[in-house]
Amino acid sequence: GQQLNQSPQSMFIQEGEDVSMNCTSSSIFNTWLWYKQDPGEGPVLLIALYKAGELTSNGRLTAQFGITRKDSFLNISASIPSDVGIYFCAGQLGGAQKLVFGQGTRLTINP
Amino acid sequence: KAGVTQTPRYLIKTRGQQVTLSCSPISGHRSVSWYQQTPGQGLQFLFEYFSETQRNKGNFPGRFSGRQFSNSRSEMNVSTLELGDSALYLCASSLASQETQYFGPGTRLLVL
Repeated sequence: GQQLNQSPQSMFIQEGEDVSMNCTSSSIFNTWLWYKQDPGEGPVLLIALYKAGELTSNGRLTAQFGITRKDSFLNISASIPSDVGIYFCAGQLGGAQKLVFGQGTRLTINP
Repeated sequence: KAGVTQTPRYLIKTRGQQVTLSCSPISGHRSVSWYQQTPGQGLQFLFEYFSETQRNKGNFPGRFSGRQFSNSRSEMNVSTLELGDSALYLCASSLASQETQYFGPGTRLLVL
């Protein structure tokens, strides 16, 4: 099925480092969302972006909706152990409920 | 406000059986969407229900069906289970169609 191209697939970093991940698509989306999923749980919404060029922060997390509407990035500053998990980007087309997901970025933090 | 709840959390079935999964949305949310998550295919959209009507459908065979009740609770059914149906089935609710979706913890289905 259709998926977004999310990179990197995995990251191994030291506690306190900054993290950056991104998603690209050949299609235009009206909404970009970033979710985090812990083992055995459902995805938890981190940030929602609704306008091209929009830059939104949620604590140590910052995400941007690309101006072409075909990409988005998520930054995490000063990583801490509870940031460990899998991060997913998701795009949503106008007029549709369906979310198209990236393959996920698995974040591992060495204390 | 309670989040999205899904029951059961874990389920083991054998090939050929059928299964029904349940989802209770966040109070006040009227749209419920279902997704399948597998290691190979990732998160894939199954279908969406709003006001007891299926609004959108993903690319899954007819063995996958669902319904929504007047209280917005939703069920999905998979008939004639196949080994490849083993997955985490996630339900997401939103206030209305095309609004931000919030996910439940999922039901992990294992087909033997």
